[in-house]
Amino acid sequence: EDQVTQSPEALRLQEGESSSLNCSYTVSGLRGLFWYRQDPGKGPEFLFTLYSAGEEKEKERLKATLTKKESFLHITAPKPEDSATYLCAVQGPGGFKTIFGAGTRLFVKA
Amino acid sequence: EAGVTQFPSHSVIEKGQTVTLRCDPISGHDNLYWYRRVMGKEIKFLLHFVKESKQDESGMPNNRFLAERTGGTYSTLKVQPAELEDSGVYFCASSQEGRNTIYFGEGSWLTVV
Repeated sequence: EDQVTQSPEALRLQEGESSSLNCSYTVSGLRGLFWYRQDPGKGPEFLFTLYSAGEEKEKERLKATLTKKESFLHITAPKPEDSATYLCAVQGPGGFKTIFGAGTRLFVKA
Repeated sequence: EAGVTQFPSHSVIEKGQTVTLRCDPISGHDNLYWYRRVMGKEIKFLLHFVKESKQDESGMPNNRFLAERTGGTYSTLKVQPAELEDSGVYFCASSQEGRNTIYFGEGSWLTVV
């Protein structure tokens, strides 16, 4: 069964303290791995799509990487406005059904 | 360009009543999805439309849930009769034909009391 596990559940950082969020996945035939940001009371906001091992994508202070078993979301010199829940999700070969992880709640303190 | 829009944003209904949620996808997106997050759980897939056809409804919890997409534009998700365990956030999402990156709306927050 396709599965996504994110760690840690919550992460508290000081402003400027870089760190990484982990997403481990099990899927038979990855069609895509997705990172979303979700603010309280809002819908998931698309960040990145990764398709194959070795792929990397960047956006401002965020960088997503992908291996055959996991993905990392690296946050460089975070700011308080980066505080949110970060969701990882995968699509397998069965179509467009997307499987989500539980998310990592990130808190960045000024 | 307008994103995915959902209505209502919040609703509180009594057990046994009916609620209909509406979703307008991004213009030109043939693929439309419904997802749900209940308290303390991950976001879960409910179903997928391609234009007006149901492509995959494997995530629909039971026959109290009915989704339609007449004309291949907006979609509705009806819950009848609502039960307490139906409380949660219902997200609609859409994507372009052949593209697997999906874009979400803000969600419809349903509370059944």
